[in-house]
Amino acid sequence: SQQGEEDPQALSIQEGENATMNCSYKTSINNLQWYRQNSGRGLVHLILIRSNEREKHSGRLRVTLDTSKKSSSLLITASRAADTASYFCIKRSQGGSEKLVFGKGTKLTVNP
Amino acid sequence: EAQVTQNPRYLITVTGKKLTVTCSQNMNHEYMSWYRQDPGLGLRQIYYSMNVEVTDKGDVPEGYKVSRKEKRNFPLILESPSPNQTSLYFCASSFGDRASPLHFGNGTRLTVT
Repeated sequence: SQQGEEDPQALSIQEGENATMNCSYKTSINNLQWYRQNSGRGLVHLILIRSNEREKHSGRLRVTLDTSKKSSSLLITASRAADTASYFCIKRSQGGSEKLVFGKGTKLTVNP
Repeated sequence: EAQVTQNPRYLITVTGKKLTVTCSQNMNHEYMSWYRQDPGLGLRQIYYSMNVEVTDKGDVPEGYKVSRKEKRNFPLILESPSPNQTSLYFCASSFGDRASPLHFGNGTRLTVT
């Protein structure tokens, strides 16, 4: 299965600060995707980074990928209270099984 | 509007009474899947389908059935629900291309008493 494991499990910051969360995985990937989940709601896709990319930006989001360390980081800059949510990563392989396994996520709290 | 629609949003039932949670997508996606989310355990995949008439087990398939007779629909069936199936369920879909993002429904909160 294609597993992502996020850390830290929980992160609490003040509005305006940056938030960094990490994702590690075990086998080779085609791409890695980050999702956000507001409490009790469905996950929303944030950003995708392909295995041949090292960094990608989308608004206040910055994602990096280090395939040698099998890890990715999601940075949210200038955080807002509305960024309070859980964040998950998932990697998708080139082929084979699409049995996807999400990690437990990072629960981010941005305090006003 | 492109979306994944799950119904019902909330469901309370009793042990052993068969139920079906529906999932429908209007994006012509090949890939569809079901997850359950429990506190402290994250999301776990129940079943997935790569296309019509093609389904496969995820990590926690016991006690569940699925079918994919049409591309747009992927119902989740609990033949004999038990209290340990009380959970928050999500359906998701994407194109078959692995670089496509998953689109999630809004969830079904199931309580089995």
